[in-house]
Amino acid sequence: KNEVEQSPQNLTAQEGEFITINCSYSVGISALHWLQQHPGGGIVSLFMLSSGKKKHGRLIATINIQEKHSSLHITASHPRDSAVYICAVNSGGSNYKLTFGKGTLLTVNP
Amino acid sequence: ETGVTQSPTHLIKTRGQQVTLRCSSQSGHNTVSWYQQALGQGPQFIFQYYREEENGRGNFPPRFSGLQFPNYSSELNVNALELDDSALYLCASSWGGQETQYFGPGTRLLVL
Repeated sequence: KNEVEQSPQNLTAQEGEFITINCSYSVGISALHWLQQHPGGGIVSLFMLSSGKKKHGRLIATINIQEKHSSLHITASHPRDSAVYICAVNSGGSNYKLTFGKGTLLTVNP
Repeated sequence: ETGVTQSPTHLIKTRGQQVTLRCSSQSGHNTVSWYQQALGQGPQFIFQYYREEENGRGNFPPRFSGLQFPNYSSELNVNALELDDSALYLCASSWGGQETQYFGPGTRLLVL
């Protein structure tokens, strides 16, 4: 079993829909990251969370430390949101190495 | 402020060859981490360099080696390439002691 599990693996939505992507992890963490990867490979950091909730524009990320679970929400989805969304965790230690989930491929149709 | 850059963007090699990938960290960052991302998978941690010293290594064989230079740029070297080494190689830079990492665009390696 992977240390970081994401669901769903693939998600197709219509423009304007509310999107939720889930992440569960099995290790103790110092922080959880949500990342966005577009075709071609480049990764952009969206959020880093250690507790509670963060909001940036139409994106909202929440984390429940006790349940070892995080969600990424996208409100009023748009075709330009189409990308792979990846959850990654820092499990502590001096090097802050990231352990990644496999990603969720989101396709938003116009 | 210059972002993280990687070179080359794409590379084709044959089995048994050696390859060197390069990463220039974001200005002011002294830490570089390297990740391998196979098709359809999440990235896997290879190793990290902090102030020119290796600072942690993932589950990769010794034929994966690295180097960090005094200007904090970094190289990833892979010897005796295998077909399974075909992947996107990502580097990420950060300021030591902080958790936010900034990723480069990646180098896509194909081993034939």
